[in-house]
Amino acid sequence: DAGVTQSPTHLIKTRGQQVTLRCSPISGHKSVSWYQQVLGQGPQFIFQYYEKEERGRGNFPDRFSARQFPNYSSELNVNALLLGDSALYLCASSWGVSGSGGEQYFGPGTRLTVT
Amino acid sequence: KNEVEQSPQNLTAQEGEFITINCSYSVGISALHWLQQHPGGGIVSLFMLSSGKKKHGRLIATINIQEKHSSLHITASHPRDSAVYICAVNSGGSNYKLTFGKGTLLTVNP
Repeated sequence: DAGVTQSPTHLIKTRGQQVTLRCSPISGHKSVSWYQQVLGQGPQFIFQYYEKEERGRGNFPDRFSARQFPNYSSELNVNALLLGDSALYLCASSWGVSGSGGEQYFGPGTRLTVT
Repeated sequence: KNEVEQSPQNLTAQEGEFITINCSYSVGISALHWLQQHPGGGIVSLFMLSSGKKKHGRLIATINIQEKHSSLHITASHPRDSAVYICAVNSGGSNYKLTFGKGTLLTVNP
């Protein structure tokens, strides 16, 4: 069975542009979470979606948005890119949101570079 | 002060040594995770704990809820164990927000 997949693997954008990152969860998982990891730091929580509803949002500006589709895949959008948005963007899926259902499985990440 | 603190930040060991990485947290949690991240980015979940102890191969994770502390042990360390080990906690509730420590960079020399 396939793990969590993310696309693209790498991406280079210029300041002011918009970017869309994609995530497909493990089959049967209904929750997707997005994290940003700046070089040398631990990941920071951006969003969690469960059953197509936003369940949590981290301390990120409104330039960051996300959605979850009926097949539980998810997109993360970032508008008006800044140099500081350069990071590894990680997606994680789980079948639930708490207890044993909350064990998270991470994708390989999308490396975004903003120039 | 970060909600999740790990120590040490960097650890160098010789092959075969017993390794301990520590994690302390300041909030009430419903679960604690130990994760492994290799150069290039991919994160692998090693353990999810809410109490007690778990063992998988040469890896052992323990948690003391009262003391808000967890440890990850690696027995008979090997160069392939070299990676960043990250502690993350879930404070529960209806959203599954993980709060991460900054990670411990482990280097095991042959």
